[in-house]
Amino acid sequence: DAKTTQPNSMESNEEEPVHLPCNHSTISGTDYIHWYRQLPSQGPEYVIHGLTSNVNNRMASLAIAEDRKSSTLILHRATLRDAAVYYCIPDQTGANNLFFGTGTRLTVIP
Amino acid sequence: DAGVIQSPRHEVTEMGQEVTLRCKPISGHDYLFWYRQTMMRGLELLIYFNNNVPIDDSGMPEDRFSAKMPNASFSTLKIQPSEPRDSAVYFCASSLAGGKRAGELFFGEGSRLTVL
Repeated sequence: DAKTTQPNSMESNEEEPVHLPCNHSTISGTDYIHWYRQLPSQGPEYVIHGLTSNVNNRMASLAIAEDRKSSTLILHRATLRDAAVYYCIPDQTGANNLFFGTGTRLTVIP
Repeated sequence: DAGVIQSPRHEVTEMGQEVTLRCKPISGHDYLFWYRQTMMRGLELLIYFNNNVPIDDSGMPEDRFSAKMPNASFSTLKIQPSEPRDSAVYFCASSLAGGKRAGELFFGEGSRLTVL
């Protein structure tokens, strides 16, 4: 299984961009990278996923390194509602189970 | 759609009692997952089902834990007998098969279990 490394915590000022890094140096060539986040007292929610190309959706952008050993989740303008734990999760090709690590706790400062 | 529905939201019980947690997945989803979350161990995958069949239960901590999915719209996680170390938030999630990738997981609001 691919292992991930994320910083335990990060801080950002409100309305500024946030770049959340993730190292996944053992990822295989066909494993997708998923990002989820967990708001306080809620279950995790899907944010974005990608394989090789950078991806954008209404919540965030995902920048994947060319060698796929790392990726960065980008929140373009952090809001107080974005304060959460963010999980970077490589999947296993063809498997549907996802294993959550410890994630990065993002604090947004007003 | 109402999303994944879990019950009860909160359960307080005494050591040795049986606990049953319930989950209704999103209609049409063919995968169902049970996770447990504690401060010490984070979010752990306990078991998951595909088309009502258990696929991997290697995360189930011990024989006191059992999970069933009698039909596509209902699953239970049972702990018998319960112990204080079972205190945690238990999440149920469902998804559609994603082909070459894992499908998007939709989580319920969780069942917070306290065993005294």
